[in-house]
This record gives sequence, C-alpha cells and structure tokens, in this order.
Amino acid sequence: DAGVTQSPTHLIKTRGQQVTLRCSPKSGHDTVSWYQQALGQGPQFIFQYYEEEERQRGNFPDRFSGHQFPNYSSELNVNALLLGDSALYLCASSQDRAVIGYTFGSGTRLTVV
Amino acid sequence: GEDVEQSLFLSVREGDSSVINCTYTDSSSTYLYWYKQEPGAGLQLLTYIFSNMDMKQDQRLTVLLNKKDKHLSLRIADTQTGDSAIYFCAETSYSSASKIIFGSGTRLSIRP
Repeated sequence: DAGVTQSPTHLIKTRGQQVTLRCSPKSGHDTVSWYQQALGQGPQFIFQYYEEEERQRGNFPDRFSGHQFPNYSSELNVNALLLGDSALYLCASSQDRAVIGYTFGSGTRLTVV
Repeated sequence: GEDVEQSLFLSVREGDSSVINCTYTDSSSTYLYWYKQEPGAGLQLLTYIFSNMDMKQDQRLTVLLNKKDKHLSLRIADTQTGDSAIYFCAETSYSSASKIIFGSGTRLSIRP
C-alpha cells in the first residue's frame, strides 16, 4: 500500500518564478495538509484541504495557494518566489480531522536562487 | 499563542537511555506527539499522548506529561544507532484541531 507520494523530490527555481508541488494521499485518506520545513526548523502548517476546499490556513501569505482534486490529490502553488521560500515542503494525509492518523510524505526540497 | 520548545542536540552512549524534553505554551492542547525524522525522509509518528494522561509506555518508548508545567518528555530505553534522528515534539489543540504545531526538533546522536 503506497503511502503519501510527493513530486518532484527536488526543485530549483529562480526568485520571482512560480512553482507547483504535487501530493497523492495515502489510499483511504481524504484530507491533505501542507507544511513548510525550513532548514533546522520544525514543520509549519500552511493549510489543509478537505472536500476540495481550504478548511484551515496557517500564517502564510496569499502567494501560497492550493487545490484539491476529486481524487483527493492536492497541489501547492507558490507565486513570486522569494529566497526565503527555500525549504522542504511536506504533504500529510489523513481521514478527515484524524490528526493521529497523519501520514507524511518524504517532501519536496525547493531551492530558490 | 502556540509555541513548542525543545533543546537542539542530545548525545548519548549506545545502550544508555535517552531523554528528550519539550515545553509548550498552549493550555488547551489536546494531543501531544513525538515524531521522528531521519535524513531524506518524512516524519514518522512515534507515539502520542492525550492531555488527560500523564504517562504512556510503548516498548522502548516512555512519554511523560506534566500538564501543570506544560512539560513533555520522551525516554528511549537501550538507545541504538538506528535511533539517530531528529525528534520533534508537537501538539494540537481544540482551537486548531486541523493543524499540528511542531517544535524545532532535537538531534539525537549516538556514540559507541
């Protein structure tokens, strides 16, 4: 049984560009959350999607947006990239609000130059 | 506000016990967690404790919760080289049930 799959694994972008990261949740999970983990820091909550809608959002600017598709997969979009957006982006899936059952993917390492 | 703090590094001898400590500020925390992150990998949930408990044991892992002092600890008995990783303390609360608040992580190093 595949867990959470994220793509790509690594990405290098130039400041000012836009990026899209993708996440396929674990089978049976319908909720997807995105986290940003800067180097040497703990993950920070970006937002959560359930039933194709953003249910809760952390303290991130509007440059960060997302989408959830009918098959529960999700995308994270970041516009006007800044050097400070360089981080590991983690996707986690769960069944509805079951934070105990969170399964994390291995992440996408984004480097902005 | 919500904040979780933990020390950055811990070095222990193989076979000894490791104790990783954490403090948090949110008095409405419901669940408190310990996650493990190995290089190049995502986060693995090691164990969790509900806020109305003060201790939980799971094989080599013992979690202690002092709700009065908002202090959480993780004890790993008989520490092995495979336990080398970064350990994150985290919490959720009634007010923000969908998101997990993480500490900055404690890097556990095992010496022979």
